[in-house]
Amino acid sequence: EGQLLESGGHLVQPGGSLRLSCAASGFTFNNYAMHWVRQAPGKGLECVAYISGASSTTYYTDPVRGRFTVSRDNSKSTLYLQMDTLRAEDTALYFCAKARNTYGAFDIWGQGAMVTVSS
Amino acid sequence: EIVLTQSPATLSLSPGERATLSCRASQSVGYSLAWYQQKPGQAPRLVIYEASSRAAGLPARFSGSGSGRDFTLTISSLEPEDSAVYYCQHRVDWPPTFGGGTKVEIQ
Repeated sequence: EGQLLESGGHLVQPGGSLRLSCAASGFTFNNYAMHWVRQAPGKGLECVAYISGASSTTYYTDPVRGRFTVSRDNSKSTLYLQMDTLRAEDTALYFCAKARNTYGAFDIWGQGAMVTVSS
Repeated sequence: EIVLTQSPATLSLSPGERATLSCRASQSVGYSLAWYQQKPGQAPRLVIYEASSRAAGLPARFSGSGSGRDFTLTISSLEPEDSAVYYCQHRVDWPPTFGGGTKVEIQ
């Protein structure tokens, strides 16, 4: 059974930057695509970024495209989300999630990292 | 972007009763539909994938059905620990959107 552990969540001012990390264990990290999913307080789930196992393909949802960058270091079994030009509406709990396969459901989730954007 | 609409928004039932949750897609997603359970303060947990396959460790009272645009998650006999919000999600293309959720309350 694999595990994911996020870190890096913090309070940041509007316009600021933050980098989230997600450390993976218990599975062959480079074999799987990974996602970042966020949940604003009291709201539903929104998938914001995708990266393939070899980092050859990335996708972003419209609200974050051009401001967020997803990356991974397979040698460290770690996923990253670089968030720049942060806005109040980016305030959310950010989860990393492993997909079962390229178009598969998310079978392993981290516990989440809270990002609060406020002055 | 595919829109998933879940109903009802809230389901209040007693232990032992049957829960039926619905998810309708704005266009066909084939069998590429998953269900997740989220309890307060926890990450979502995969319940059903590919419309009807139960995730590892989930009790047999959870089942999924449907294809195309209409899907159902059924909990055959509710237990107190099934109280949670349940989300559906498609995996056809990007972005893999989620439905708005159904809150299951155990009276």
